[in-house]
Amino acid sequence: GQQVQQSPASLVLQEGENAELQCNFSSTATRLQWFYQHPGGRLVSLFYNPSGTKHTGRLTSTTVTNERRSSLHISSSQTTDSGTYFCAIDRASSSFSKLVFGQGTSLSVVP
Amino acid sequence: EAAVTQSPRSKVAVTGGKVTLSCHQTNNHDYMYWYRQDTGHGLRLIHYSYVADSTEKGDIPDGYKASRPSQENFSLILELASLSQTAVYFCASSDGLGSSAETLYFGSGTRLTVL
Repeated sequence: GQQVQQSPASLVLQEGENAELQCNFSSTATRLQWFYQHPGGRLVSLFYNPSGTKHTGRLTSTTVTNERRSSLHISSSQTTDSGTYFCAIDRASSSFSKLVFGQGTSLSVVP
Repeated sequence: EAAVTQSPRSKVAVTGGKVTLSCHQTNNHDYMYWYRQDTGHGLRLIHYSYVADSTEKGDIPDGYKASRPSQENFSLILELASLSQTAVYFCASSDGLGSSAETLYFGSGTRLTVL
């Protein structure tokens, strides 16, 4: 089946440092997404990024589909960035989503 | 802001008992999903639905049933709860209308503990 591998599993940053989270997947499936899970549990979508580079605020996602990898760059980290980051690929060929999630990267940003 | 509401927020159930988790969305989305998250892991798809009165099996449907009585409501039913079903359950919705709308909107989750 589809596999999604994330690295590192966990990361501790000093506030202000940058982070690079990696996601490797086993197929050339498109519709890759990045999600953020708050420490309290709520999940929010960060990027829908099947290919190329997208930016929002201090976050940048770059997906290279033919190399089966995506990265999430966090610049100038803040304590509020703490939480778990998931990438997921979508196996569905139609309009609904059948996501396969990686195991996540747990990020802790300390003052 | 799209809204997906789950109830209850947490529940303790006994082994062999029946559990119903409820999800309500006000997004007018056609697609709804139930995911399960185990501690330290990502989410896994249990059931999903793209229209009322119809549900589809996801990757781990065994031991779960789903019900979509209306566009807004999607329930997950554990007829005979087991210890292995202790997890956090997330409901989500999407409209699936195109790449810009691939975003899933998640509820806050239901923490289920089976004793």
